[in-house]
Amino acid sequence: DTAVSQTPKYLVTQMGNDKSIKCEQNLGHDTMYWYKQDSKKFLKIMFSYNNKELIINETVPNRFSPKSPDKAHLNLHINSLELGDSAVYFCASSQGGISGGRETQYFGPGTRLLVL
Amino acid sequence: QQQVKQSPQSLIVQKGGISIINCAYENTAFDYFPWYQQFPGKGPALLIAIRPDVSEKKEGRFTISFNKSAKQFSLHIMDSQPGDSATYFCAASTGGGNKLTFGTGTQLKVEL
Repeated sequence: DTAVSQTPKYLVTQMGNDKSIKCEQNLGHDTMYWYKQDSKKFLKIMFSYNNKELIINETVPNRFSPKSPDKAHLNLHINSLELGDSAVYFCASSQGGISGGRETQYFGPGTRLLVL
Repeated sequence: QQQVKQSPQSLIVQKGGISIINCAYENTAFDYFPWYQQFPGKGPALLIAIRPDVSEKKEGRFTISFNKSAKQFSLHIMDSQPGDSATYFCAASTGGGNKLTFGTGTQLKVEL
């Protein structure tokens, strides 16, 4: 069984469109994350939620809006897509909370977004 | 601002050799240093991690060496195998470990 799953795996869309990426984890973890990996493979955290509460919000354009309906799901909605949004987006989860320990983060397989 | 600097960017090692990847950090508040391994088309996966209260941690063929005074840490892969060919990321975090700051990655290729 997949621990952290993401849909879709690939996403090709036009500039200006709005799209969503879904993430689900079945590990029973309390904390979930979104990362962006650019074309140079640089990984940068975007958001983190703990029990549906936003705890990390990096300098990300407000066109990106995460939503956590429950602690097993963290979705990412992107409005008005731009060319620079093309990247691989990874969801991850960990057991640690806001003041949790040095917990392993488990990554999903990624969603490859291409904006044309 | 790159808080964790990683080198080299790419590395080619012969099978059976030792692969060494280095990282340096600036933030002295960092207190958790994991290494992640990423295969093409996959998400990163934790390989090994260390805390600053020890200078070395070994798990199988993988060893982290940590130098707190120099603010540096490195990954050593002994007896490198073709199956080790992947991208390796060092990372660092403070406090709860939730916010990982990643290095820029090292693409390792182990040749036969």
